Amino acid sequence: QSALTQPASVSGSPGQSLTLSCTGTSSDIGTYNLVSWYQQHPGRGPKLIIYEGTKRPSGVSNRFSGSKSANTASLTISGLQAEDEAHYYCCTYAGSATYVFGTGTEVTVL
Amino acid sequence: HLQLQESGSGLVKPSQTLSLICSVSGVSISSGGSSWSWIRQPPGKGLEWIGYIYHSGNTYYNPSLKSRVSISLDRSNNQISLNLSAVIAADTAVYYCARYLGGSSFDEWGQGTQVTVSS
Repeated sequence: QSALTQPASVSGSPGQSLTLSCTGTSSDIGTYNLVSWYQQHPGRGPKLIIYEGTKRPSGVSNRFSGSKSANTASLTISGLQAEDEAHYYCCTYAGSATYVFGTGTEVTVL
Repeated sequence: HLQLQESGSGLVKPSQTLSLICSVSGVSISSGGSSWSWIRQPPGKGLEWIGYIYHSGNTYYNPSLKSRVSISLDRSNNQISLNLSAVIAADTAVYYCARYLGGSSFDEWGQGTQVTVSS
């Protein structure tokens, strides 16, 4: 059970759109539409921002959206804001009642 | 309003057992549909799923930790316990408890507690 692969860092200017990738395998992301995304600010616990691939919990900005193609899930942040500067982690169901997280992406707002 | 708070031994010697408690307020851990998970984050690294427990008491663990980990419910105190035996330096991490909704959704998290494995 290997960690999902995410780019280590991504940056953008305020107002831009950023897309973060999360690559798994045909046994996890490729099989199940059960990817979630988490935002983590320094010193804080993670916050769920996308679940079941595309759904947003109540209270989460609609600037966050999720998608999937084959073995890769993506998180798009539209209208980038300073408060979006954080680490982002993907997670997927991996079968046999197990879960795996991604390596994490640090988003920097220039 | 659901709140989770982790507590326990902050410093554990190698080969000993790490023991943590997650105190839950705002909802009964025994209520139908409630499931609870432990997740950890080594310093400067990503998140690692440890395991979860259903309200029924059924448990599921990360295969890489399965031989050393145990999660249980303390219904009388509304707490979830984590025990990790035979710890090594690589078990040093911030340990989080989280409510598990299914479908890879961990929707509420505690603040986390730092555990260091060192002699």
